[in-house]
Amino acid sequence: QVQLQESGPGLVKPSETLSLTCAVSGYSISSGYYWGWIRQPPGKGLEWIGSIYHSGSTYYNPSLKSRVTISVDTSKNQFSLKLSSVTAADTAVYYCASGELERVPDAFDIWGQGTMVTVSS
Amino acid sequence: DIQMTQSPSTLSASVGDRVTITCRASQSISSWLAWYQQKPGKAPKLLIYKASSLESGVPSRFSGSGSGTEFTLTISSLQPDDFATYYCQHQGTFGPGTKVDIK
Repeated sequence: QVQLQESGPGLVKPSETLSLTCAVSGYSISSGYYWGWIRQPPGKGLEWIGSIYHSGSTYYNPSLKSRVTISVDTSKNQFSLKLSSVTAADTAVYYCASGELERVPDAFDIWGQGTMVTVSS
Repeated sequence: DIQMTQSPSTLSASVGDRVTITCRASQSISSWLAWYQQKPGKAPKLLIYKASSLESGVPSRFSGSGSGTEFTLTISSLQPDDFATYYCQHQGTFGPGTKVDIK
C-alpha cells in the first residue's frame, strides 16, 4: 500500500523559492508509478502543478512551467517540488499524489494529506 | 489546451436522490477522464477512472459514463456521506468542481 507524506515550510517569503518533499512508503519510487503535485488555493479548486514518471520524464502546467521543478531522489524514496519567485497567489494547500501507470494511467489514486503553504513577508 | 467544464456548480439534493453531474471537454479526450470526491479539509479521493471504471473500494452507487467530450458522474441513491465536492480531471486539467449539498 503506497503512502505519501508531504513536508516543508509552511511560510515562504515573496520572491523566494517554495520547496516541498513527498516521502513515499510502501513502494519503490523508481518502479511503475508516476508522481505529481497538485495545489488548492483556499476556497478554490484543484490545480495540477506537474508530474514526473519513473522514467524521469517530467510534465508541467504551462502556466507554471517557467517556475517549477519536480525531481526524484531514489536514495531517499521521495520526490520534490520547487516553485520559484513565489507571490501571494501561490498560497495554497499543496498535495503530492501518485498513479499506478498500468492501472490508472491518467489519474491519481493515492494522495498525501496535503500541506498548507502561505506566501507572506 | 483542453478546457474542462462542469455543471451544475452547486447541486442541492436529499438523501436517496439520484444525482447526475456533467463534465465537458473542449475537444475529444476519448475515455481519459477521472472523477474525484473531496470533503472539506481532506485530500481528493479517486472514484472513477477511464470514464467508467470504478476504483476499488468505492461504493457501487457511483458510476461514470461518457466518451469524447461529454461525461457524467451518477450517484444512484445519495447517502449522507456523499455530500462533498466532485471534480472531473483529464490529464493536467481539473474541472471547476460541483458542490453537492443538503437540500
